[in-house]
Amino acid sequence: NAGVTQTPKFRILKIGQSMTLQCTQDMNHNYMYWYRQDPGMGLKLIYYSVGAGITDKGEVPNGYNVSRSTTEDFPLRLELAAPSQTSVYFCASGTSPNTGELFFGEGSRLTVL
Amino acid sequence: AQSVTQLGSHVSVSEGALVLLRCNYSSSVPPYLFWYVQYPNQGLQLLLKYTSAATLVKGINGFEAEFKKSETSFHLTKPSAHMSDAAEYFCAVSLNTGNQFYFGTGTSLTVIP
Repeated sequence: NAGVTQTPKFRILKIGQSMTLQCTQDMNHNYMYWYRQDPGMGLKLIYYSVGAGITDKGEVPNGYNVSRSTTEDFPLRLELAAPSQTSVYFCASGTSPNTGELFFGEGSRLTVL
Repeated sequence: AQSVTQLGSHVSVSEGALVLLRCNYSSSVPPYLFWYVQYPNQGLQLLLKYTSAATLVKGINGFEAEFKKSETSFHLTKPSAHMSDAAEYFCAVSLNTGNQFYFGTGTSLTVIP
């Protein structure tokens, strides 16, 4: 089982560049999430989706965009990268936030210089 | 608003000693509670979850947690620490009225041989 797959695992960007972090899950989960993790800050929710075609902002959406054209894929786009976006990004999926757990990818470490 | 507080960003225990990681939540409705573990350079994995069944929840690797409504707590314990328990631990909460998970800031556990 592949579970949740994120690519790339590492990336260095220059200020002002753009890129897309890819996330794919093979568990047919409706719910998908993007978090960023910064030291001592825990996980902050960027965007989430409750199904194909439906997305919503989380706690820290500025500077990011998402789309959900299929159940499997939930890419996160960074426009005009800034040093403040240096972080580790995690994609997660689940069946329901009520009783189900989240399944996480291995993370994507992004550095903006 | 929902929040999760983890007391102690760093906890050190001796091998074989009791592990106690604290988590308190605030919620206006009954929550669902989770503990996740993160090993270095990996994503988060579910340790255990409380979803309104038994208040004492047993998880993987000998961990357990007790839901105490009167104290709004969900502390994680393990009777005897093992070197392999060294990791970052996150408490999380979700509600039956929403689509999101809320994470604490994490507790880094060090096990001293």
